[in-house]
Amino acid sequence: DTGVSQDPRHKITKRGQNVTFRCDPISEHNRLYWYRQTLGQGPEFLTYFQNEAQLEKSRLLSDRFSAERPKGSFSTLEIQRTEQGDSAMYLCASSFDTFNSPLHFGNGTRLTVT
Amino acid sequence: AQKITQTQPGMFVQEKEAVTLDCTYDTSDPSYGLFWYKQPSSGEMIFLIYQGSYDQQNATEGRYSLNFQKARKSANLVISASQLGDSAMYFCAMRDNSNSGYALNFGKGTSLLVTP
Repeated sequence: DTGVSQDPRHKITKRGQNVTFRCDPISEHNRLYWYRQTLGQGPEFLTYFQNEAQLEKSRLLSDRFSAERPKGSFSTLEIQRTEQGDSAMYLCASSFDTFNSPLHFGNGTRLTVT
Repeated sequence: AQKITQTQPGMFVQEKEAVTLDCTYDTSDPSYGLFWYKQPSSGEMIFLIYQGSYDQQNATEGRYSLNFQKARKSANLVISASQLGDSAMYFCAMRDNSNSGYALNFGKGTSLLVTP
């Protein structure tokens, strides 16, 4: 079990640029989640996938955000035309699709928009 | 809408002592699950313990135990014999059937500092 891995760990970008993050979930898990965490807050739900299907998106996920999970394996989260308010830690998690299954999180990608 | 409340922004405990971190929740769904996570300064979220709403006994996992009081809607985490490595942020989270895809809804967290 290699755990959930995220890449990159840190990303610094200028306002207006596009960024893409990658998440590799635990291979046996069929659910994949993206969360955002800002300083002093708990993680906030953004979106989730059941296999390759994106089944729910939070209102936090503006039109500038898009997520994909081709073939139900790894996932990418892209932010277009970044804004300073996008600066946060972006966390990916995976789990089995049973009610008592915990989410297993990656180490996150810390985005800083200058 | 469900809500998780952690009222203690910061807690101190001396090494080897026990500490209780508070969590209250609000849901109208009789079926729900409560989770606790630890987040060290390195950033990763580490799952600690789970309590289901229909579980008859309080959950325990090593030095972690849950003081689950269903009528009060509280699920406090008890850490026994604190260690310096327990210093971290601790988050309480809940899932019920209103959560899309069993997503977890998190509280704001409690910062724990264990002193020698």
